[in-house]
Amino acid sequence: GQQVMQIPQYQHVQEGEDFTTYCNSSTTLSNIQWYKQRPGGHPVFLIQLVKSGEVKKQKRLTFQFGEAKKNSSLHITATQTTDVGTYFCAGHGSSNTGKLIFGQGTTLQVKP
Amino acid sequence: NAGVTQTPKFRILKIGQSMTLQCAQDMNHNYMYWYRQDPGMGLKLIYYSVGAGITDKGEVPNGYNVSRSTTEDFPLRLELAAPSQTSVYFCASSYAWVGARPINSPLHFGNGTRLTVT
Repeated sequence: GQQVMQIPQYQHVQEGEDFTTYCNSSTTLSNIQWYKQRPGGHPVFLIQLVKSGEVKKQKRLTFQFGEAKKNSSLHITATQTTDVGTYFCAGHGSSNTGKLIFGQGTTLQVKP
Repeated sequence: NAGVTQTPKFRILKIGQSMTLQCAQDMNHNYMYWYRQDPGMGLKLIYYSVGAGITDKGEVPNGYNVSRSTTEDFPLRLELAAPSQTSVYFCASSYAWVGARPINSPLHFGNGTRLTVT
């Protein structure tokens, strides 16, 4: 079945350093979504990528969708303490049946 | 708008007991989902529904049952609770159009139900 792998599992950075998390699917995806979960909270939607090779930016966050639509990345420039949390990618398979599978998440800690 | 409402927020069950986790959404979303999140882990899909009367298994359906009699409600049933079902359960909903050009809206999550089975 469809699997979505995400690395690294944890990342500790000094405030101001950059951060990247990578997401890889075992199958071609129709789209990929990114979510952020603060400690003790629920996942909150950040962005959705649909097109092959798509790149989207939200302030210091840059999201990419691979050309083959099987991988994606989230890059944060100059991290801040407010970026702390767990970042999840989630993908719908190419048949888009509604089954949304999440990666394991990358937990980001930012030292001030 | 309330969004996605989950009840209860916390529950402690004894092994072998049964319970239903309630989930309701008021956004007229056609898709609804149940995920579980074990401590420090990701989200695992238990069951999902693409519309009233239609449900399908996710990654970890064993030990659970669901029903979708209305668009708004998607309860999750645990029949014989086991310690392995100790987790935080999230319900979510979204709108999806699966025509020639599929469109998936973001998932809206409830606040979760923290379940402990002892």
